This record gives sequence, C-alpha cells and structure tokens, in this order.
Amino acid sequence: DSGVTQTPKHLITATGQRVTLRCSPRSGDLSVYWYQQSLDQGLQFLIHYYNGEERAKGNILERFSAQQFPDLHSELNLSSLELGDSALYFCASSATGLAGTGELFFGEGSRLTVL
Amino acid sequence: AQSVTQLDSQVPVFEEAPVELRCNYSSSVSVYLFWYVQYPNQGLQLLLKYLSGSTLVKGINGFEAEFNKSQTSFHLRKPSVHISDTAEYFCAVSEPPQGGSEKLVFGKGTKLTVNP
Repeated sequence: DSGVTQTPKHLITATGQRVTLRCSPRSGDLSVYWYQQSLDQGLQFLIHYYNGEERAKGNILERFSAQQFPDLHSELNLSSLELGDSALYFCASSATGLAGTGELFFGEGSRLTVL
Repeated sequence: AQSVTQLDSQVPVFEEAPVELRCNYSSSVSVYLFWYVQYPNQGLQLLLKYLSGSTLVKGINGFEAEFNKSQTSFHLRKPSVHISDTAEYFCAVSEPPQGGSEKLVFGKGTKLTVNP
C-alpha cells in the first residue's frame, strides 16, 4: 500500500460527459502528479501541483483541468469526454517538489471507460 | 527534451534465468534515472534510482541497474528471476529541477513474463 488513495477505481461514462477523479496523497506529501496511461501512448505526464500551486504542465488537454486543495487532496476534471480519453489515470505524490529525487508514490489508478 | 526508449516491449524468460531489460534515454543535461515496476492491477512502485555517485545501483527484490553515460543507457538486470517478478517495468528520466518541478518522463514499458 503506497498510501495514495484514488477514487473511483472504475468509471464508465458516455461521450460528452464530465467526470472528476480524486486523489489523496500520502500523509505529509506536498506534491501531487497526474499521469494518464493508455496502451498506445504509455504513461503521459499531465500536471504537477505542489502545496496548492501548479508547478508543471505536460500533455494535458484543454478539456482537462486539475486543482490541489488546502488539505492537499487533488482533483482531475475531465470534460467533453471522447472515446480516446479512455485510459487509466494515476495520481502520484512525493514529499517535495524541489529536491529532484524523483521518488513518486503511485495510487492504484482510476480506470475511465468512455462509451 | 528528455525521452526514454525501452527497447523491448515484451521479454519472456524461464524461472531462475538471468534477465536484462534495456533502457536508453536522451537528454541534453545531466539526469536522474529510475526504474519502476507495475504489478497487475496496481500502481507503480520504485525499484531503484540513480541520482549520482556509483554507476551500479542496487534496488529492491534483487534488481540492479548500471548507468552508462557514454551510451546513455540504464539497463536493469537480475541474475535469477522468480515467477513473482512477472510485471511491467518502466524506465524513467528526470532532469534536475528547473523551475521547481521533478517531472518524470517514462518509457513505454517492458512486460516481463517469467515462465516455470
């Protein structure tokens, strides 16, 4: 158990809909990262938050947005969903956003299926 | 920009055989390197990391990796695998933080299947 909690574990929805994925980082971790894992693209970095502030953006679509709340949990919002958004979405946390050790602790992921 | 190439998408081996999973990276600056493992229906877990110092890095579960700067490689090895090593293995690279981020770039993964 990594200590990172993601909900929901599975989600099935229709095209055009909007969903919210939630992540609770390990106790005390200030950084939250979101990754998308699909068969064709592999693991793609989406966005990084550190103590409530956005620190880096990766290949995140404009239809997607995220935030990190004062209690450090994070939400990834996916809107106007398309079939191609079907993927496993991982949240990871780390103790810092600055030290560059790179050890991320991953949750078990939220599997999104868009029909 | 950083990139990671894992040369084999699938590697089947027999139990107790040695294994090497290959990883090459490209970056214009010095890097940190990592191997993560993903067991079925689980998140990724850190196996080992290279930040600096000795180029031979030992990790959990008997795995080790060697950083070769001239060949820009970071291959993962285990002298004798077990059935329980069946998983997907990801190589990742990070550039020392610029702007305060420790973004990891992952390779596409290598599925290791250990057969009895």
